[in-house]
Amino acid sequence: AQTVTQSQPEMSVQEAETVTLSCTYDTSENNYYLFWYKQPPSRQMILVIRQEAYKQQNATENRFSVNFQKAAKSFSLKISDSQLGDTAMYFCLQGGSEKLVFGKGTKLTVNP
Amino acid sequence: DGGITQSPKYLFRKEGQNVTLSCEQNLNHDAMYWYRQDPGQGLRLIYYSQIVNDFQKGDIAEGYSVSREKKESFPLTVTSAQKNPTAFYLCASTWGRNNEKLFFGSGTQLSVL
Repeated sequence: AQTVTQSQPEMSVQEAETVTLSCTYDTSENNYYLFWYKQPPSRQMILVIRQEAYKQQNATENRFSVNFQKAAKSFSLKISDSQLGDTAMYFCLQGGSEKLVFGKGTKLTVNP
Repeated sequence: DGGITQSPKYLFRKEGQNVTLSCEQNLNHDAMYWYRQDPGQGLRLIYYSQIVNDFQKGDIAEGYSVSREKKESFPLTVTSAQKNPTAFYLCASTWGRNNEKLFFGSGTQLSVL
């Protein structure tokens, strides 16, 4: 069965610093997609970054980047120059042929 | 613009009452999902459907029912058998063989009177 594990229930970081959120997953599929979504207090789900498993190059979106290690089934999110608006719940997701699978989330607080 | 619409935004249920949450999409997506989120917690899968007239139970299906009569619509009924229904309910739809594109609704907050 597909599983996604986020081992850090809560994290905090000082404004302007860098933080890394971890995610590991387990799948027998060869072709799949991985996502990081942000859920601020408004509870709207916002796409942060998306990675295609067959692409070796790590995805980046401005201050957000991933470290994708396919063999280790690891997909960590690095947030550089953290801003107060980054305070949110972050979910790691895997999209495969069977269904969408969520991790339990990491609550990130950015402190001024 | 294409999108996914959940209604209502807020819903109140009386004891012993069934209520239905609406989820509609005009994205021509095949797969649709329902999740439950309790305060400060992650999302738990209730039901999902990958094609019309077919759906599968998720991790917490007891006390809930769904239908998928049309591709665009995937309503969720919270039955009286669900003893703790107060939660935020989120609908999602996906496109692609490997669920490579996702869209989320804006959610429905259900509370018990």
